[in-house]
This record gives sequence, C-alpha cells and structure tokens, in this order.
Amino acid sequence: DAGVIQSPRHEVTEMGQEVTLRCKPISGHDYLFWYRQTMMRGLELLIYFNNNVPIDDSGMPEDRFSAKMPNASFSTLKIQPSEPRDSAVYFCASSKASSYNSPLHFGNGTRLTVT
Amino acid sequence: AQSVTQLDSQVPVFEEAPVELRCNYSSSVSVYLFWYVQYPNQGLQLLLKYLSGSTLVESINGFEAEFNKSQTSFHLRKPSVHISDTAEYFCAVSDNKAAGNKLTFGGGTRVLVKP
Repeated sequence: DAGVIQSPRHEVTEMGQEVTLRCKPISGHDYLFWYRQTMMRGLELLIYFNNNVPIDDSGMPEDRFSAKMPNASFSTLKIQPSEPRDSAVYFCASSKASSYNSPLHFGNGTRLTVT
Repeated sequence: AQSVTQLDSQVPVFEEAPVELRCNYSSSVSVYLFWYVQYPNQGLQLLLKYLSGSTLVESINGFEAEFNKSQTSFHLRKPSVHISDTAEYFCAVSDNKAAGNKLTFGGGTRVLVKP
C-alpha cells in the first residue's frame, strides 16, 4: 500500500499564476478529501468526493478554487489566479467508506508559496 | 455545526515526563471524537478515536484519551513521553450523522519533547 500520494511536495509561484495540485488516493478508497492547513486558520476542509462525485464544496474559499476527480485514482485542486493569501499546506486524504471505523489516510501535503 | 478548541498551542515537556493535551468541543448532536498526530513534514495519522462504549480509549504507543460528555472534553494523556513523540497533535470531531468521515479539527497542539 503506497498510501495517498500528492504532487508536487513544494510549489512556489507568482501571484496571478495558475496552480494545480494533484492527488492519488489509496486504491479502493471511495472518499477523497482536500484540506488546507495554515497557521492562522488551522486545518480546513475544502471539498470532499464520494465515488468521484463532489458531495460538499462549502469549504472552497472562492471561485478561484476548483477541484475535480475524473476517476477513482486521481484528483486535482486548481487555483486560478493564485494570490499570496493562498499560501498554505494542502492535504489530500482518502477513506474506504462512510464509516468511522475507516480512518482518514492523509498524504504528505503540498506546500504552496505564492509570492 | 461543531467546533473544537485545543487550549494549548505548544507544550514543551521533558523526556519521561507526563503530558496532557486539552481538547474541548461543542456540538448540538452526539459526536465521534478523534486524535490525529502529525510528525514533521508528514500528513496526519490517526492516533485514537472514541465512537461509543468505554469512555477511555488507548493507542498502541501509550497515549490515552477520556471522553467526558458533561465537560465536552476529550483530553489526551501519556504518562511518560519519548523524544519520538515530538509532533503536532490534532483533536477532531464528527457529527455522528455526517457521512464520509467529515471531520472538524482543532487548531493543533505542538509537543516538543526535550532530553
């Protein structure tokens, strides 16, 4: 089991540029979550998917953010255009089912810096 | 909606000393409670969870947490810490009616174990 894989690990970009973060969940997991971690706001749930369908995107900060899950093994989080306040660590997590006996498995995160 | 408050942002502690990390939550419905640990440059990992039954839950590496419904608390303790316990610890809550492991996290407590 390779775990949840996120790429890139680090991303530095200039304000106004498009940023795409990628996530490969654990095979067989049917829930996928995107979280953002900042010093000021802690861990925030941005959006989550079930069987590739977005279920709750109420945490997405604004229209500049979009997320897709075209298949069970891949998801992207896109920011266009990026702003310095988007600087954070973005985590992807997956779980096997809608069950609290199935814990969230987190990737190692993507550290985004927008200058 | 739920919220989680971790009262201490940082806890320095000497090796082999006890440690307690405080967590209080608010919710209008019954909840499930979790502690996650984040080691440097890694994603979060589940440490332990309370779903039902005994209010005292334990992890495999010596941590324990006690659910106190009247005080709406879920404090984490370890009687004797190791250097390897240096990490950030997150308390999380989920509405037991919610689907898909949708968690609300506290702000985290950074534990620094000193030799």
